[in-house]
Amino acid sequence: EPEVTQTPSHQVTQMGQEVILHCVPISNHLYFYWYRQILGQKVEFLVSFYNNEISEKSEIFDDQFSVERPDGSNFTLKIRSTKLEDSAMYFCASSADAAGNTIYFGEGSWLTVV
Amino acid sequence: ELKVEQNPLFLSMQEGKNYTIYCNYSTTSDRLYWYRQDPGKSLESLFVLLSNGAVKQEGRLMASLDTKARLSTLHITAAVHDLSATYFCAVDRGSTLGRLYFGRGTQLTVWP
Repeated sequence: EPEVTQTPSHQVTQMGQEVILHCVPISNHLYFYWYRQILGQKVEFLVSFYNNEISEKSEIFDDQFSVERPDGSNFTLKIRSTKLEDSAMYFCASSADAAGNTIYFGEGSWLTVV
Repeated sequence: ELKVEQNPLFLSMQEGKNYTIYCNYSTTSDRLYWYRQDPGKSLESLFVLLSNGAVKQEGRLMASLDTKARLSTLHITAAVHDLSATYFCAVDRGSTLGRLYFGRGTQLTVWP
């Protein structure tokens, strides 16, 4: 079964450093998302991306965050200057369309900011 | 903001027993999703419920949706240990494409 692939699986970074998380969505999907889950808490929406632009972003997705689809396959999340509270599992997800189809999640990238 | 409430948050049950997890949400939505998460793993899609009265079953799990009551249930029949995981429900507004609002999750432990 096709899957969403994320790298790295785990990254430790110092506060203030930039981090880029990588995702390869399922190949025929058109909608891409980033979510995060702080340890022990619920999954939270960050941003959705369609047709090479952001469709929607949450209040969490401030100026420190950005997303990019640099080529036909990758979808990246950049955190410009990490803070301790950015420590979380970051999930990339994709769906074929937005009409209630299944949204598939990747395995996640666990980010630890020290 | 759309609120999603799940209960119970923790569920410990014996193998062979039945139980139901409830998911209430605060505003109109016609799409509800159930996911399973094993510790340290991703979210595995279980069900997508798209209309009022929708019922879907897969193995020992059955999910239903009542949009008028803003309620979905995930019923577990004759639980087995392999069902131990955290189960999340999530809804979207319909007008926001793919923005899911998750509940806090129900941590299910099935013991012999």
